[in-house]
Amino acid sequence: DGGITQSPKYLFRKEGQNVTLSCEQNLNHDAMYWYRQDPGQGLRLIYYSQIVNDFQKGDIAEGYSVSREKKESFPLTVTSAQKNPTAFYLCASSIRTGWLAGELFFGEGSRLTVL
Amino acid sequence: GENVEQHPSTLSVQEGDSAVIKCTYSDSASNYFPWYKQELGKRPQLIIDIRSNVGEKKDQRIAVTLNKTAKHFSLHITETQPEDSAVYFCAAKGDYKLSFGAGTTVTVRA
Repeated sequence: DGGITQSPKYLFRKEGQNVTLSCEQNLNHDAMYWYRQDPGQGLRLIYYSQIVNDFQKGDIAEGYSVSREKKESFPLTVTSAQKNPTAFYLCASSIRTGWLAGELFFGEGSRLTVL
Repeated sequence: GENVEQHPSTLSVQEGDSAVIKCTYSDSASNYFPWYKQELGKRPQLIIDIRSNVGEKKDQRIAVTLNKTAKHFSLHITETQPEDSAVYFCAAKGDYKLSFGAGTTVTVRA
């Protein structure tokens, strides 16, 4: 069954703790993305990666970090420096990026709550 | 960077009526405009998209129109049904990034 798997689905964190959200895809897609979804604000891009061992900051990268050591994996770490981390996080992938990029395939999301 | 504005934020329609959602974008270099539907508790899914060399595209009850000169594009849903109730997001892509609008919550009244 091809697709994108995010884990965990729900996560609770104490202030001051780092947390890592997992994103795995078996679609053989080159590009992967992390979005943050807040009510009334749509989807905002945190980081994206076009190829293994390469990634770029999106619009709201502060307080987040990523890695892309394998084509199928793109984990997101929410650090203690992120001032308002409580949100719904969506991982996505596409066959390619750049001018020819097309449809994004999304995971089911991870809801992070900071207590 | 690209800025996408979406209106209205909420839309309530009677079953069988049409629904229209409008978006504007700022970057004239944007060349790809998808629409995503997100049902409650589910992941966003692509419902239709259009590229900058096309003015209109239809797929059954949904259609998208693009006006490059005015930098706006619209989603049209005809003969709305209860299963059309969801949040709809427009998006625009310039170079490498897809920028999303804030979303429109559509409610179809029976």
